[in-house]
Amino acid sequence: QKEVEQNSGPLSVPEGAIASLNCTYSDRGSQSFFWYRQYSGKSPELIMFIYSNGDKEDGRFTAQLNKASQYVSLLIRDSQPSDSATYLCALGGGFKTIFGAGTRLFVKA
Amino acid sequence: DAGVTQSPTHLIKTRGQQVTLRCSPKSGHDTVSWYQQALGQGPQFIFQYYEEEERQRGNFPDRFSGHQFPNYSSELNVNALLLGDSALYLCASSSGTGASYEQYFGPGTRLTVT
Repeated sequence: QKEVEQNSGPLSVPEGAIASLNCTYSDRGSQSFFWYRQYSGKSPELIMFIYSNGDKEDGRFTAQLNKASQYVSLLIRDSQPSDSATYLCALGGGFKTIFGAGTRLFVKA
Repeated sequence: DAGVTQSPTHLIKTRGQQVTLRCSPKSGHDTVSWYQQALGQGPQFIFQYYEEEERQRGNFPDRFSGHQFPNYSSELNVNALLLGDSALYLCASSSGTGASYEQYFGPGTRLTVT
């Protein structure tokens, strides 16, 4: 079983819709959770981080963490074509950060 | 506020050669982590440096080595290059050691081994 699982997509949503990206993980010792956005040919950009169970909102982005069920999700409200990218889920614990393979999101204008 | 910088941006090497990649962390950051990202994959952790010491290493052979300087900048060295080492090499910096801190990535170095 992979340590971090993400659906590779592509996830296609119309402009203005809510995009929902999910991530499950196997290590119950993970302490911190991150979402990165990566445009094609570019490096990952940190967009959200969450440490506690529940929801964390930042602008159009909401991160949701459920440690008991071992999943973390990212909601993007009012999706824009500029949100089209690969979204990487990452888990931190100890000195090592583990990344998922990413979900490709395509927002149709 | 200067972000994470990496050099060079692109590099082409031949099998068996050695390569050195460089990274300067974001202003105020003291920890540098290196990652390898193959096409279509997430970044894979190589190692992390803090206080000029390697704190943890991922599943990479000893051909991969690193160094951190007193000014917190870092180098990644890869010896005896293989075709499979072709990838995007990413440096990320953070304030504080460990993986619980937010990391910010540099633009990366694209290494091609022929």
